[in-house]
Order: sequence, then structure tokens, then C-alpha cells
Amino acid sequence: SQKIEQNSEALNIQEGKTATLTCNYTNYSPAYLQWYRQDPGRGPVFLLLIRENEKEKRKERLKVTFDTTLKQSLFHITASQPADSATYLCASRGGGYNKLIFGAGTRLAVHP
Amino acid sequence: GAVVSQHPSWVICKSGTSVKIECRSLDFQATTMFWYRQFPKQSLMLMATSNEGSKATYEQGVEKDKFLINHASLTLSTLTVTSAHPEDSSFYICSARGLVEPMEQYFGPGTRLTVT
Repeated sequence: SQKIEQNSEALNIQEGKTATLTCNYTNYSPAYLQWYRQDPGRGPVFLLLIRENEKEKRKERLKVTFDTTLKQSLFHITASQPADSATYLCASRGGGYNKLIFGAGTRLAVHP
Repeated sequence: GAVVSQHPSWVICKSGTSVKIECRSLDFQATTMFWYRQFPKQSLMLMATSNEGSKATYEQGVEKDKFLINHASLTLSTLTVTSAHPEDSSFYICSARGLVEPMEQYFGPGTRLTVT
């Protein structure tokens, strides 16, 4: 079955460093991947969408890559700040399916 | 980015009563809306997909008679939890998708339902 996996349940980094989160997909080829941020008690907030024919996409301190050979997307936050602490979700639709498939999320903690 | 609102943001109700949650796409039209529930420290679980003007499609294990979904317009969907029980207490999140590819999906802020 189609599956998205975010390898790290939690990631702790020091303020100012770059956080790198990983998303791997199996058994399908998504046309695009979406990344979301979710804070406790809130709905996910859309951050970035990257298409399969785009290698990289940037938005301010965020960067997303999409490697169809490795079946992987990387999400980077540069110059991380404590305010970036949240759970980050990777999601995609694929193979003609109507619904989003979500990874379990990575809980990022940025320490001052 | 696009905005999806939900109302109410939290609700407490007595067991056996019904609760309606509204979801609106504020600045875009959404042919498709989704309803999720989320338990603490778990990922989102899709309950149903609704298309404007047609019946909702429910995920396996979700009781359609208990969770009534109405998608009356391109900007409004409602979820009614009927005859609520304490085990229905959860965080309910709606989501809406635009009309044009790649159709980013946007989420509401969520509704915390507590059934006493």
C-alpha cells in the first residue's frame, strides 16, 4: 500500500543551526509533496508544495527538495529559532487517489 | 495563503446530544473538503471526503449515520456528531482543497470536542 514515512519522531537542535527533516515514500510516485507545520491544539498550516519535476523550492528560511530516484523529500529550516519548534508533517496525493496521505510527523525542538 | 475557518473552536456537550461543526473556505472555492480527527500525539486520521453537492465518502470504520457531513456550497461544509458519547471526544479538523492543480490543501484551526 502507499506509504509515507518520516524517519525521525523527534529532532532536537541548537538555535541557529539548520534543521533537516526527512520524508520517504513507497509503493507510489506522487506528483507533488506538501509540507505542513502543526502546533499543539491547532490544525496544520500549509508551508510548501513541491512538484515531482522541481528539484528544490525555497520560501524564506525554508527549503524543500524532491528526489524521485531516492523517493525522498528533505525539508530544511536554516538559522533555526525556538519559534520554529513544532511538529512538521509531510503529505502527498498519489496514483490518482483523492486523499492526502500523511507521514506521522517529526517533532522539532529548537533550543536557545 | 488560503484561509479555512472552523466554528466553534471548542465545544463541551452532554452525552446523547448532537453537535455541529462548521468549516468555511474564506478566500477560495473548494469543491472538495475533508474531515479529520486527531487524538493526542497521533497523526491526523481522515474520516470522510465531501464534494460539493454530493454525498460524502466515508473512510472504513467511520459511521456515516453518526458523523453527518453536508457540503452545501463551495465554501461551506458541516460535520454533525449525532448522539455524542465520551469516546467521540477528540480534535476535529476540516480541510479544503482548491479548484486548480496542484490543489494545495489547507486546514482549519480545529475544533476541540469534549463530551461529558
